[in-house]
Amino acid sequence: QVQLQESGPGLVKPSETLSLTCTVSGYSITSGYYWGWIRQPPGKGLEWIGSLSHSGTTYYIPSLKSRVTISGVTSKNQFSLKLSSVTAADTAVYYCARADCSTTTCYNDYWGQGTLVTVSS
Amino acid sequence: QAVLTQPPSVSGAPGQRVTISCAGSSSNIGAGYDIHWYLQLPGTAPKLLIYGNTNRPSGVPDRFSGSKSGTSASLAITGLQAEDEADYYCQSYDNSLSAWVFGGGTKLTVL
Repeated sequence: QVQLQESGPGLVKPSETLSLTCTVSGYSITSGYYWGWIRQPPGKGLEWIGSLSHSGTTYYIPSLKSRVTISGVTSKNQFSLKLSSVTAADTAVYYCARADCSTTTCYNDYWGQGTLVTVSS
Repeated sequence: QAVLTQPPSVSGAPGQRVTISCAGSSSNIGAGYDIHWYLQLPGTAPKLLIYGNTNRPSGVPDRFSGSKSGTSASLAITGLQAEDEADYYCQSYDNSLSAWVFGGGTKLTVL
C-alpha cells in the first residue's frame, strides 16, 4: 500500500523559506508516476503547486514558479518542497500526493495527511 | 476566482439524487482534458472519487458517477447518505495557465 507523509516546520517567518519533505513508502518515486505538492489555505480550496516526474522533470504553477523548487532524494524515497520569500498568503495545509499522468490527464490517487504551515513572525 | 466553477453548496435528503456541476472553458474541459473529482471530509485529505471523467477507483460505490460534455462536467450522487456530507472538488488541466487546476469546491449537506 502506497503511503505518503509530510514533515517540516509548522511555523515559518515572513520572507523566509518554507521547507517540507514527503516520505513515500510502498512505491519507489523513481519507478513511475509524478510526485507533487498541493496546498489549501484555511477555509479555502485546493491549489496545485508543482510536480516532480519519476525521471526528475519538474513542473510548477506559473504564479509560484519563481519561488518554488521541488526535488527528490531518491536514496530516502523522499521528495521536497521549498517555497522562498513566504508571506501570510502562503499559510495553508500542504499536501503531498502521487499523480497518475498521461497525455491529457493527471489525477492524484494517493495523498499524505497534510501539514499546516503558518507564516507569522 | 477558481478557473473551474462549482456551486458553493448543494443539499439533498437521504435517498435522493444530487448533482454537482463543474463549469470550465475552451482552455480546460473544452480542450479535451479529463475531469477528476475528489471528496474531502472535514479535517482530512482529499480522496479520489472519479478519474478520467467517468471512472471510479476501487472501493468507490457506484452511487457516484461522473459525466462530461462540452466545457462542463457533473458529478452525480444517488441514494444520498449522511456519510456523503463533505466538500467535493473537480480538477482538470488548463492550457492557458499551463497548470493543473481545481474548482472552488462544493459543500454537500445531507438534510
